[in-house]
Amino acid sequence: SAVISQKPSRDICQRGTSLTIQCQVDSQVTMMFWYRQQPGQSLTLIATANQGSEATYESGFVIDKFPISRPNLTFSTLTVSNMSPEDSSIYLCSVRIPGTGANVLTFGAGSRLTVL
Amino acid sequence: AQSVTQPDIHITVSEGASLELRCNYSYGATPYLFWYVQSPGQGLQLLLKYFSGDTLVQGIKGFEAEFKRSQSSFNLRKPSVHWSDAAEYFCAVGGRFGNEKLTFGTGTRLTIIP
Repeated sequence: SAVISQKPSRDICQRGTSLTIQCQVDSQVTMMFWYRQQPGQSLTLIATANQGSEATYESGFVIDKFPISRPNLTFSTLTVSNMSPEDSSIYLCSVRIPGTGANVLTFGAGSRLTVL
Repeated sequence: AQSVTQPDIHITVSEGASLELRCNYSYGATPYLFWYVQSPGQGLQLLLKYFSGDTLVQGIKGFEAEFKRSQSSFNLRKPSVHWSDAAEYFCAVGGRFGNEKLTFGTGTRLTIIP
């Protein structure tokens, strides 16, 4: 199975700043997904990132707040812009690995952000 | 719209006891169903999945789950839990097409007591 590396694993940020999270996969994948896991809540899909095209955002998430880059088939970044305490969450990168079955996701370990 | 309900927020069981975590789903057709586990500080790991066929599916770490269409349920079971099973468990439902997104439940936190 694929190995997904996320950086940073955790960070403490000041209100109003921005932070970029990196996701590196050890194999080429078509689609990469960014999820948010707020404290005590489920995973919510933020957006789907395809290489060579703009990310597709879910309802309630906008590009200005969560810009995403996907420069190649193994890498993506998610930026959390102009952070507020409400952005304190775990952000997870995930991918579908070819051959593992439709809709089977592999996840990174997550990036835990705390906004003060 | 698809949805997943995990009615138990937190469950505590003794080591060696049996376990059942409940999951109910809402989906317009035959779904794909998943159980993931999240250990502290870790990402989500797939425990098992149901796509079709035998409604009792086996997963890793000795877990199994049973799909019951009549009850819209996909409960996770383990006959004897180990201290290392303490984690957060998420049930998820998705469609049969690769471009359909997964919907996750709110999770059940499992605590194991000696």
